[in-house]
Amino acid sequence: NAGVMQNPRHLVRRRGQEARLRCSPMKGHSHVYWYRQLPEEGLKFMVYLQKENIIDESGMPKERFSAEFPKEGPSILRIQQVVRGDSAAYFCASSPQGPEAFFGQGTRLTVV
Amino acid sequence: AQSVTQLGSHVSVSEGALVLLRCNYSSSVPPYLFWYVQYPNQGLQLLLKYTTGATLVKGINGFEAEFKKSETSFHLTKPSAHMSDAAEYFCAVSANTGNQFYFGTGTSLTVIP
Repeated sequence: NAGVMQNPRHLVRRRGQEARLRCSPMKGHSHVYWYRQLPEEGLKFMVYLQKENIIDESGMPKERFSAEFPKEGPSILRIQQVVRGDSAAYFCASSPQGPEAFFGQGTRLTVV
Repeated sequence: AQSVTQLGSHVSVSEGALVLLRCNYSSSVPPYLFWYVQYPNQGLQLLLKYTTGATLVKGINGFEAEFKKSETSFHLTKPSAHMSDAAEYFCAVSANTGNQFYFGTGTSLTVIP
């Protein structure tokens, strides 16, 4: 059973470009979470999704950020018009219906 | 609402010494509590979790944690530190609905030979 797969592992974007981060949850998991980790900081919750639904997006910046988890395919975190401050590690976690989250290896976004 | 406070962003112990990483939580509902470990440039790996039942929870790599409701604490311990324990440790809390996980800011553990 493969774990949570995130790709790419490393992503470099110039300011103003778009970043698309992908997360394939573990087989059988229908809940996906996205977190952002800044240097010397903990994980900040961004969004919680179930298939085709956004359940909680209270941690998402109001502009430029969006997330989806379609019926088929991976969950996508999309950042439009990236800025230097978006540079961070973005982690995806998935869970079955229940209180445990399994994390991916993360995508390290660098904005130059 | 739930939140987590980890006291001590950096902890250093000698190899073979006791490891104690502190975590206090607040929760308006019965919590689920977790400890995760993160090695450099890696994702988070679950060390142990408390959901219901026995308050002393044993995890991987010799770690354990005790849920103390009266103290709202879930401290992580290991009797004897090993060099391979050097990593970042995160405490997390979730409501028993499992909706969202709230993480502490992490504690970086250094093991001194």
